[in-house]
Amino acid sequence: DAKTTQPPSMDCAEGRAANLPCNHSTISGNEYVYWYRQIHSQGPQYIIHGLKNNETNEMASLIITEDRKSSTLILPHATLRDTAVYYCIVRSNAGNMLTFGGGTRLMVKP
Amino acid sequence: DSGVTQTPKHLITATGQRVTLRCSPRSGDLSVYWYQQSLDQGLQFLIQYYNGEERAKGNILERFSAQQFPDLHSELNLSSLELGDSALYFCASSVDVGGMYEQYFGPGTRLTVT
Repeated sequence: DAKTTQPPSMDCAEGRAANLPCNHSTISGNEYVYWYRQIHSQGPQYIIHGLKNNETNEMASLIITEDRKSSTLILPHATLRDTAVYYCIVRSNAGNMLTFGGGTRLMVKP
Repeated sequence: DSGVTQTPKHLITATGQRVTLRCSPRSGDLSVYWYQQSLDQGLQFLIQYYNGEERAKGNILERFSAQQFPDLHSELNLSSLELGDSALYFCASSVDVGGMYEQYFGPGTRLTVT
């Protein structure tokens, strides 16, 4: 599976949009981009995933560039409860496990 | 609530002992995954089962073993425990195998080896 690069930490003001970037320049055509988050020591929580097209659900939006070498997770109106470590993971269609990197520690501030 | 349950929530045991961690997947999910999260190693994949059969192995020690039962629940057995085995152990499940199927994680079991 392709490797991902994320900034180690980011801050966001409560109520504003949080835009979390991820670089996956070696991604292959059959690899999906997944986002998970982990709040404190809870189990990782699935947020969203996509292959080529932008995706949106009740939690977030995923914007994938046309060349698929990078993506951005958007939390439209961040709240204090969105403070967590966010993991961007690239996973092949044949992939079984999720390979977690260091993630981005997002701190939402009042 | 992801629908994945894990028991026990906390486990404290001594070095050399053996423990069993239990996972019940979401209703309808056939695949179960085990992950370990320690302070120095981050989240690491251990092993996957699909419909009762072992499907993939990661960095799982020989002292560790797992199985998935006909009712699809899974158990992770850790033996000859060492201090370094202290970690959070997460179970995840997905409806099927393949990159397009998201995995849902349980709340974890915190294992402390003294």
